[in-house]
Amino acid sequence: GAVVSQHPSWVICKSGTSVKIECRSLDFQATTMFWYRQFPKQSLMLMATSNEGSKATYEQGVEKDKFLINHASLTLSTLTVTSAHPEDSSFYICSAQVINYGYTFGSGTRLTVV
Amino acid sequence: SQQGEEDPQALSIQEGENATMNCSYKTSINNLQWYRQNSGRGLVHLILIRSNEREKHSGRLRVTLDTSKKSSSLLITASRAADTASYFCATDAGDDKIIFGKGTRLHILP
Repeated sequence: GAVVSQHPSWVICKSGTSVKIECRSLDFQATTMFWYRQFPKQSLMLMATSNEGSKATYEQGVEKDKFLINHASLTLSTLTVTSAHPEDSSFYICSAQVINYGYTFGSGTRLTVV
Repeated sequence: SQQGEEDPQALSIQEGENATMNCSYKTSINNLQWYRQNSGRGLVHLILIRSNEREKHSGRLRVTLDTSKKSSSLLITASRAADTASYFCATDAGDDKIIFGKGTRLHILP
C-alpha cells in the first residue's frame, strides 16, 4: 500500500515551453505532498509543500511563479515548470506523507530542456 | 535547505564486507529515516527510527540514533552487489516535511 504514481517518468521539452508533472496517491488520501528537485550526484532539495485545497508553501529561493503547484484533490498534486530553460533540467520527485507509515515517494521525472 | 551531512560522501567496499554510513543533523527531530536510491530512480524507504529509539534492525540493516550527538549510522552487513546505490538520511523535525542529507554513494566491488 501507500503508492504514489508519478508521471511522466521522463520528458524532453523545448526552452520556453511549460511542462506538467503529476503525482497521484493510488490507495490513500494525501492531504500533503512534497516536491523535490535533484541535480546529478546531489541530494534532494525540497522545493515546496503542497496542501490540498490551499496554496503551496515554497522553500526559500524557489520561484513560485516558475514552479506552479496545484493540489486540487486528495489524490493529485501537479507541478508545472513554466517557461522552462536548460537550467531547469533536473530530476523532480514528489512525496506524500502517510499516517502511521512515514513518507512514500514517486518514481521521479527526469526533465531535459533543450 | 538541507539538514545535515552524511559521511563518507563515497564508499567502495568488497562484496561481503560491512558498510557503515553516518549522518549528522542540526535540529531536534521526531524521527530519522534512511533511503536508498539507485541511479536515476526514485527513493526506497529503508528504515525509520524515532527520536526515543536508539537502535533498529531490519534484515541486514542496522540503524543507530544518538540524539545527544545529533547523529545516526546505517550499517549494511554482508554487502551484495545489489546494494550499490546512494543512501540518504532524512530528518522529520515535526514540521510536516522531511529534509535530506547529502547522501553517500556506495559501490560494492565484486
